[in-house]
Amino acid sequence: DGGITQSPKYLFRKEGQNVTLSCEQNLNHDAMYWYRQDPGQGLRLIYYSQIVNDFQKGDIAEGYSVSREKKESFPLTVTSAQKNPTAFYLCASSETGGGNTIYFGEGSWLTVV
Amino acid sequence: AQSVAQPEDQVNVAEGNPLTVKCTYSVSGNPYLFWYVQYPNRGLQFLLKYITGDNLVKGSYGFEAEFNKSQTSFHLKKPSALVSDSALYFCAVRDTNAGKSTFGDGTTLTVKP
Repeated sequence: DGGITQSPKYLFRKEGQNVTLSCEQNLNHDAMYWYRQDPGQGLRLIYYSQIVNDFQKGDIAEGYSVSREKKESFPLTVTSAQKNPTAFYLCASSETGGGNTIYFGEGSWLTVV
Repeated sequence: AQSVAQPEDQVNVAEGNPLTVKCTYSVSGNPYLFWYVQYPNRGLQFLLKYITGDNLVKGSYGFEAEFNKSQTSFHLKKPSALVSDSALYFCAVRDTNAGKSTFGDGTTLTVKP
């Protein structure tokens, strides 16, 4: 099936630890995105990439890092510099161009313990 | 700059009644407008979009939305609500010149039997 796969679904992070969330898509989309969603709130853009080996900061990039070495993969690392990382993280992809629909993965829950 | 507002945090309707979820936007150029639905602990699912042309857009699950340029609105509607429509709804906008989309804060729709 075509789509976006995020893993793991649930992840626990200890204080001072870096963790990486995986995102893989087989839709052949050029653009990929990471959003953060806090309970009962909207989506905030962390990073986005419109082409391999290039990415841009979104609205809340501090404490996060990404890479885009392959078209189908866009992993997000939550670093120890992110002081309040507990949230629901959504990966998405689309064709480039403003009218193209953004498709989302099923999300990953990150909790600090 | 682009922005989108969903003025109601919550909308409650009775099953079988029509529903409206409101969205207004601000862009410097021409807008691309989208509606998504999110069920608990899931990713966002695409419902419909306005790119150009007919102001009334029909989408999935019987939903439709009307683009109103003079009022800068893109309200989501359905003639007869179902209990299964209960979910969190997001409006999104993308300026034709922008590299990313902006999402509203979401509206929780509750349909009571």
